[in-house]
Amino acid sequence: GEDVEQSLFLSVREGDSSVINCTYTDSSSTYLYWYKQEPGAGLQLLTYIFSNMDMKQDQRLTVLLNKKDKHLSLRIADTQTGDSAIYFCAESIYRDDKIIFGKGTRLHILP
Amino acid sequence: GAVVSQHPSRVICKSGTSVKIECRSLDFQATTMFWYRQFPKQSLMLMATSNEGSKATYEQGVEKDKFLINHASLTLSTLTVTSAHPEDSSFYICSARADRGLSAGYTFGSGTRLTVV
Repeated sequence: GEDVEQSLFLSVREGDSSVINCTYTDSSSTYLYWYKQEPGAGLQLLTYIFSNMDMKQDQRLTVLLNKKDKHLSLRIADTQTGDSAIYFCAESIYRDDKIIFGKGTRLHILP
Repeated sequence: GAVVSQHPSRVICKSGTSVKIECRSLDFQATTMFWYRQFPKQSLMLMATSNEGSKATYEQGVEKDKFLINHASLTLSTLTVTSAHPEDSSFYICSARADRGLSAGYTFGSGTRLTVV
């Protein structure tokens, strides 16, 4: 079946690193994504990783993929107040031509 | 980069009326568009997938007579909520994709907050 799980809340102090975790169940996932949603707004693609990769880095963002454990994480270095948002993990399943989203992790920044 | 414009951003309508939401790809041709619904503090629920020139494919549990989807051109898809009721109040988001082969080809609109009173 298709299911994406992630914790609902994360609180991090400004300047620290944030690590948001996600697990998925479909081993045929082709791409895995991290989207950011600010209040009342649509989704912004932050980064994505192809399923045969294990790491991708893009400025302050690092994505780690453990395909064996079906575990994906997003690390945000030097977390800023502007990073406060909901972060959605998602997987695309090529054969079904759709994206499955997790419930989102609300990142709260402490001063 | 690819931009998807969704309109209106907010709409309030009376119970029993119909509301149309537009989703436009501004600088690319979208062969496939997706419509999602998001409940408060919930994830996005895929409602339907539409391909230009053909009927939309609805997810299980989504009433196709209630949520009419039209994808008449490669740059425009519309979602019409017919005979809206308060339980239809939600945040609706569209997504467009230019080509099935593109990994990050899913571009999202900014969403429409529908309130039915």
